[in-house]
Amino acid sequence: AQTVTQSQPEMSVQEAETVTLSCTYDTSESDYYLFWYKQPPSRQMILVIRQEAYKQQNATENRFSVNFQKAAKSFSLKISDSQLGDAAMYFCAYRRVGANNLFFGTGTRLTVIP
Amino acid sequence: DTGVSQDPRHKITKRGQNVTFRCDPISEHNRLYWYRQTLGQGPEFLTYFQNEAQLEKSRLLSDRFSAERPKGSFSTLEIQRTEQGDSAMYLCASSLSRPVENEQFFGPGTRLTVL
Repeated sequence: AQTVTQSQPEMSVQEAETVTLSCTYDTSESDYYLFWYKQPPSRQMILVIRQEAYKQQNATENRFSVNFQKAAKSFSLKISDSQLGDAAMYFCAYRRVGANNLFFGTGTRLTVIP
Repeated sequence: DTGVSQDPRHKITKRGQNVTFRCDPISEHNRLYWYRQTLGQGPEFLTYFQNEAQLEKSRLLSDRFSAERPKGSFSTLEIQRTEQGDSAMYLCASSLSRPVENEQFFGPGTRLTVL
């Protein structure tokens, strides 16, 4: 069974600084997708970034980038130049190619300190 | 607003009552998903539809839960004889079936409290 582990329940970062959120996963599949979702307080979850497992290059979306280590089954999210609007719960998620359901971790609550 | 919408946003009910939630997906999306999120946890998959066909159900979806998508557009999730353990946020998401790595767009959720 697939499991996704986020070992940091809470993280904080000073505005304009960089923070890294950790995620590890367990799977016997070789082809899959990984995602980071952001869930602001009382607002809907939105996709931040995704990574295809067959791609060696780490995905980047503006201030958000990932460090994907397939052998280690690690998928961390780096947020650069943190902004107050980045404060939210961040969920790491996994989906096997050909499957439809996402497996989520327990989330990391990010606080941005002005 | 052309995003995924859910109604109601909050529902308080007494144990043993039936409740029904509605989800309106993004109009051109043929796939629709239901997830449940309990406090301190990430969302857990319940079921998904492609058009009007319910193609997958999680073991979390007990026989007290039923989901429908009669015309392949909006969907309803009904919980019969609610229990306190049903208290959670119920999230709906929708996506296209192509490309393969389709993004799931989430709604704001319906927060259910069972007293």
